[in-house]
Amino acid sequence: KAGVTQTPRYLIKTRGQQVTLSCSPISGHRSVSWYQQTPGQGLQFLFEYFSETQRNKGNFPGRFSGRQFSNSRSEMNVSTLELGDSALYLCASSLRANSGNTIYFGEGSWLTVV
Amino acid sequence: GQQLNQSPQSMFIQEGEDVSMNCTSSSIFNTWLWYKQDPGEGPVLLIALYKAGELTSNGRLTAQFGITRKDSFLNISASIPSDVGIYFCAGQLLYSGAGSYQLTFGKGTKLSVIP
Repeated sequence: KAGVTQTPRYLIKTRGQQVTLSCSPISGHRSVSWYQQTPGQGLQFLFEYFSETQRNKGNFPGRFSGRQFSNSRSEMNVSTLELGDSALYLCASSLRANSGNTIYFGEGSWLTVV
Repeated sequence: GQQLNQSPQSMFIQEGEDVSMNCTSSSIFNTWLWYKQDPGEGPVLLIALYKAGELTSNGRLTAQFGITRKDSFLNISASIPSDVGIYFCAGQLLYSGAGSYQLTFGKGTKLSVIP
């Protein structure tokens, strides 16, 4: 079955703009979480959605937001982009929002802010 | 918040050698996961551990969930060139109140294999 699909794979934005990234989880998976990966900070948790509800949120400013649709697809949005937002944004899906469930990652969306 | 200490940060080994890396935490986790990430790609799950003391193998890879639930190790036997990449440990903690979980990642171990 298809894995986690993220679009776009690469994008370049200028400071002050906003960006929307999309994630389609593995079929049947209802839990989607987002992570930011940078060389300096590593992989950091952004937020997690299950059944269209945000269940948990990491320590990121309010410029970072997300949502999940009824088909479990998810989007994340970053407004008023800053240079430091340049990163690989990874989406992960899991069957349920419970401990013990295997979590699978997409290939990520590379965002460069100039 | 939780922090995972992963070591070593990087290692250079000869093809055929065995490799060992580990993660320790100040907090207890319900699940330990080990991922490998190739350049420009997302992390790929290698092994998932769900119970304290559990020892699980996946081909040449073996990982264990520490008894204290605060640590885990990953061993790779008879390394080959395609083992090159960054290996991440991740701990998963269930936030029972919110019905949620999140992964906390180690900083990664960059593995280089010399043919």
